[in-house]
Amino acid sequence: DADVTQTPRNRITKTGKRIMLECSQTKGHDRMYWYRQDPGLGLRLIYYSFDVKDINKGEISDGYSVSRQAQAKFSLSLESAIPNQTALYFCATSDFIFQEQFFGPGTRLTVL
Amino acid sequence: AQSVTQPDIHITVSEGASLELRCNYSYGATPYLFWYVQSPGQGLQLLLKYFSGDTLVQGIKGFEAEFKRSQSSFNLRKPSVHWSDAAEYFCAVLKTSYDKVIFGPGTSLSVIP
Repeated sequence: DADVTQTPRNRITKTGKRIMLECSQTKGHDRMYWYRQDPGLGLRLIYYSFDVKDINKGEISDGYSVSRQAQAKFSLSLESAIPNQTALYFCATSDFIFQEQFFGPGTRLTVL
Repeated sequence: AQSVTQPDIHITVSEGASLELRCNYSYGATPYLFWYVQSPGQGLQLLLKYFSGDTLVQGIKGFEAEFKRSQSSFNLRKPSVHWSDAAEYFCAVLKTSYDKVIFGPGTSLSVIP
C-alpha cells in the first residue's frame, strides 16, 4: 500500500461548488502539506501543518481551507471553486529529523 | 525573502550524454538543499539532499549534486543520461528544521535517442 494516498485522483466540478480533497498517510509523520502544481509555476504551498494542533497558511491560501483531523489525515477544501483553481494538487508528509518529503500521487482538479 | 531559482526551464540531451541542472538559492546562511524528480503522472521523489559535510552528495539513480557556498548553488549532475531520466526536476531549499521547504520552478528534461 502507498504511504501517502489522495482521494479522489481526478475530479471535475462546476464553479461555485464546494470540494474536499483528502490525504492520508501511514508514514507516522507529524508534518503534512498541500501544494498545487501549475505548468511553469512549479509547486506552490497552500497550507501546512507541523502537528495536529498546528495549521499554517502557505503562499497561496486564499480560497482554500484545511482540516487536520488526526496525525494521519489532512484535508483540503475549496469552499466555492473557481476555474483558476484548476490544477494538480499534491499532499506531502515529512518528519522533523530527516526532512524528506513524501508525496501522494496527486489529484487532478478541473473547475468548469 | 528566501528564493530558489532554476535558470533552465527546459533542457534536451541525447541519451548517453552528461547532464547538469542548475539551482541557485538566495539565503545568507547554508540551508538544507534537496533535489526531487517528478516522472510523468506521478508525485515527486527525493533524489538526494545536502545538510552538511562533504559538498558532493550522491543520490539515487546515479545522480550527484555539488554544493558551492561561494556561488549559492546546488547543481545536479549525471554522467550518462538514460531515456528513463526524462522528467521534471525540482530543487528545494529549507532554511531550518522549523521552516517549510521552498521549491524552485522546475526544469523539464527531455532525452532524445
